[in-house]
Amino acid sequence: DVKVTQSSRYLVKRTGEKVFLECVQDMDHENMFWYRQDPGLGLRLIYFSYDVKMKEKGDIPEGYSVSREKKERFSLILESASTNQTSMYLCASIEWGKNTEAFFGQGTRLTVV
Amino acid sequence: DAKTTQPPSMDCAEGRAANLPCNHSTISGNEYVYWYRQIHSQGPQYIIHGLKNNETNEMASLIITEDRKSSTLILPHATLRDTAVYYCIVRGNNAGNMLTFGGGTRLMVKP
Repeated sequence: DVKVTQSSRYLVKRTGEKVFLECVQDMDHENMFWYRQDPGLGLRLIYFSYDVKMKEKGDIPEGYSVSREKKERFSLILESASTNQTSMYLCASIEWGKNTEAFFGQGTRLTVV
Repeated sequence: DAKTTQPPSMDCAEGRAANLPCNHSTISGNEYVYWYRQIHSQGPQYIIHGLKNNETNEMASLIITEDRKSSTLILPHATLRDTAVYYCIVRGNNAGNMLTFGGGTRLMVKP
């Protein structure tokens, strides 16, 4: 019954490493989103994509990039990880044009040391 | 997408109704009101949504004011498992519409 899958539940990376967070959905949704969640700051939108190869910046895109080569997969990339990117990262997908719910992955807790 | 304002926290006694308010005074005509909740360490979970009319499902009821500038999520008989952060979101349905969460309301259901 899994609908949105994030590649890792926990991840530890070193400062300066290139980090890939993968998200896959099996519902053929057009819209996919990446968020980070930090204590006291709620869910903040990093990037989203409404179609293959299409991407839009969210509220906090600095230090991140994304890739959407296939409809089902949306990757978040940290080009050079820094300690202030230690956070919980959540991926979501929703069907375009439909008034339906967004489905979230289980989250990836990334620690940059 | 319109912004929303919610109280940061609320308490509710177990078995009583929990009424969670949300202000969305800049909502536009084609934007829906959605509610999600997030239980600790899990991704947000959809609860209910509406446009103009009040809505009810097995989890909750949604009351939207006539001018659509505010809404209330009602959990009719709150249980301890309803302790969570509740997010109110307004969103249009066009491609490219962001799905943006505010700070939410932390509901604490007490025995």
